[in-house]
Amino acid sequence: NAGVTQTPKFRVLKTGQSMTLLCAQDMNHEYMYWYRQDPGMGLRLIHYSVGEGTTAKGEVPDGYNVSRLKKQNFLLGLESAAPSQTSVYFCASSYPAGGYGYTFGSGTRLTVV
Amino acid sequence: QKEVEQDPGPLSVPEGAIVSLNCTYSNSAFQYFMWYRQYSRKGPELLMYTYSSGNKEDGRFTAQVDKSSKYISLFIRDSQPSDSATYLCAKGASQGAQKLVFGQGTRLTINP
Repeated sequence: NAGVTQTPKFRVLKTGQSMTLLCAQDMNHEYMYWYRQDPGMGLRLIHYSVGEGTTAKGEVPDGYNVSRLKKQNFLLGLESAAPSQTSVYFCASSYPAGGYGYTFGSGTRLTVV
Repeated sequence: QKEVEQDPGPLSVPEGAIVSLNCTYSNSAFQYFMWYRQYSRKGPELLMYTYSSGNKEDGRFTAQVDKSSKYISLFIRDSQPSDSATYLCAKGASQGAQKLVFGQGTRLTINP
């Protein structure tokens, strides 16, 4: 099925470890986004990209890096994981003519111990 | 103060009831409004999209926008147990990159 695929679905990290979350979309969307979802805080934008080779900071970018080397992929990296990064991470994509309607992935549940 | 405020609930109603979910916003720029539905352990999915004041209907769902009071609502008629989910309101936060700012989400349970 067409859509947004996130890998992995679950991960437990130790403080200080690094990891990369992968987001892949097959809808030829220009725009891609990484959000984190925490209880009582809703969805908060971490980083986003408006096209291949471009990235920009969102509301809560500290401690994260991103790359968009290919149009269909958007990677989120944690260089040195902290317990405050325990969250559910969602990737989303959209296209310029589609308004603000996002297609979301199913999420990655990350626990940092 | 968050740009979009939403009562997190939880909200529990009997099957068949009319449900009203509400959000307020503070920034009048980029007045595009969306409602997303999120089932447990799933990603949000777009439910309704509107950019004008007034009502927009889609089946049992009605999105209402009152720009004068900066208030947006989602009404669900003849609610069903399958409507049990978290509902997220969202508002446009930029033009070029189509960024969104989300409310906290309201957890809704429809009891059979």
